[in-house]
Amino acid sequence: NAGVTQTPKFQVLKTGQSMTLQCAQDMNHEYMSWYRQDPGMGLRLIHYSVGAGITDQGEVPNGYNVSRSTTEDFPLRLLSAAPSQTSVYFCASGTAYNEQFFGPGTRLTVL
Amino acid sequence: RKEVEQDPGPFNVPEGATVAFNCTYSNSASQSFFWYRQDCRKEPKLLMSVYSSGNEDGRFTAQLNRASQYISLLIRDSKLSDSATYLCVVRARGNRDDKIIFGKGTRLHILP
Repeated sequence: NAGVTQTPKFQVLKTGQSMTLQCAQDMNHEYMSWYRQDPGMGLRLIHYSVGAGITDQGEVPNGYNVSRSTTEDFPLRLLSAAPSQTSVYFCASGTAYNEQFFGPGTRLTVL
Repeated sequence: RKEVEQDPGPFNVPEGATVAFNCTYSNSASQSFFWYRQDCRKEPKLLMSVYSSGNEDGRFTAQLNRASQYISLLIRDSKLSDSATYLCVVRARGNRDDKIIFGKGTRLHILP
């Protein structure tokens, strides 16, 4: 049972490049979310999804897109990377009112 | 006002002592409450859910005060392995959204 997987684990981008962070879960969870974590800022919600075909914005959605075509996958797209998007990105999944399981994170540096 | 606020610490506590953290939340419609633990450079993991009547899990006790909109975590007989960042988490499901919001976390250092 893999739980929540994220790829890549590390990524370096140049300003203006685009990329997709992958997230997959094999627990059949309806709820999935993306967070970024910066020093002193805690975890901030970027986007979330309550089920396939449904996504919504979190606290800091600007510069990011998401889609949820299947229950298992919830990719996060950076449209035009900026240095301010240098962060650790966590994907999570869970059921209503219960524990959220996190992936191991993606460490992104934008030069 | 931030949706979920915590004292960032750090709390430096001798081994064996009792330590308490508080967390306040701003959305009165919040329905679910949790404490997560995060070790350095690792993903957060659930420590315990927080129920209205309060709940205990070994050395850990969580309390919820809906009237004052705060949550607490008490750690008794602290161990070196309790050193971590503790994250207060609040979930509010409304007609239009369903957000899970994390506090910034409280850092705890247990001193030998």
